[in-house]
Amino acid sequence: GNSVTQMEGPVTLSEEAFLTINCTYTATGYPSLFWYVQYPGEGLQLLLKATKADDKGSNKGFEATYRKETTSFHLEKGSVQVSDSAVYFCALSDRDYKLSFGAGTTVTVRA
Amino acid sequence: GAVVSQHPSWVICKSGTSVKIECRSLDFQATTMFWYRQFPKQSLMLMATSNEGSKATYEQGVEKDKFLINHASLTLSTLTVTSAHPEDSSFYICSGLSGRLGEKLFFGSGTQLSVL
Repeated sequence: GNSVTQMEGPVTLSEEAFLTINCTYTATGYPSLFWYVQYPGEGLQLLLKATKADDKGSNKGFEATYRKETTSFHLEKGSVQVSDSAVYFCALSDRDYKLSFGAGTTVTVRA
Repeated sequence: GAVVSQHPSWVICKSGTSVKIECRSLDFQATTMFWYRQFPKQSLMLMATSNEGSKATYEQGVEKDKFLINHASLTLSTLTVTSAHPEDSSFYICSGLSGRLGEKLFFGSGTQLSVL
């Protein structure tokens, strides 16, 4: 079956630091990969996605590259801000919009 | 963007009682609603998929008689945890699929259920 493993948190950073959250997956077939973000009190929002190998998803300064050879989709941002404090979920989908999620990583950015 | 309003945000109930969680799509019609739950330090796991006007499809291992899902309209889906027990304590979250908005998923903010 499908599964997603992502870096455990919590992660605490200072503003302008580099952020990386590791995500690896197991799937049959050729899934699409996603990063979702949940800000306090809000629903999960799609941050970025990639639908095939070597695709790079990017949004709001975040990037992730679909690496089929390492079954990974690590999230990176070069310079975080306080407003990036949130819970980040890695996910995959290979059918019918059903998502398999990682456990989520809580990121706190200090001013 | 489109919004899914999920209520309540958190609920504490006694063992043996039933709890209803509502998800409303405020500015789109959700042809399909997905329900997930998350136990502490574990992944969000899909519980069931419901399409408007038809019975929900449950994932393996999820008791359909315990977790009643109703998707009576394109803007409202409910999850009722019947005869709740402490092991049902979890974070529940819904996600609505909008065909009109380019086959996109929109998530509620989740409900933290604690059963005493």
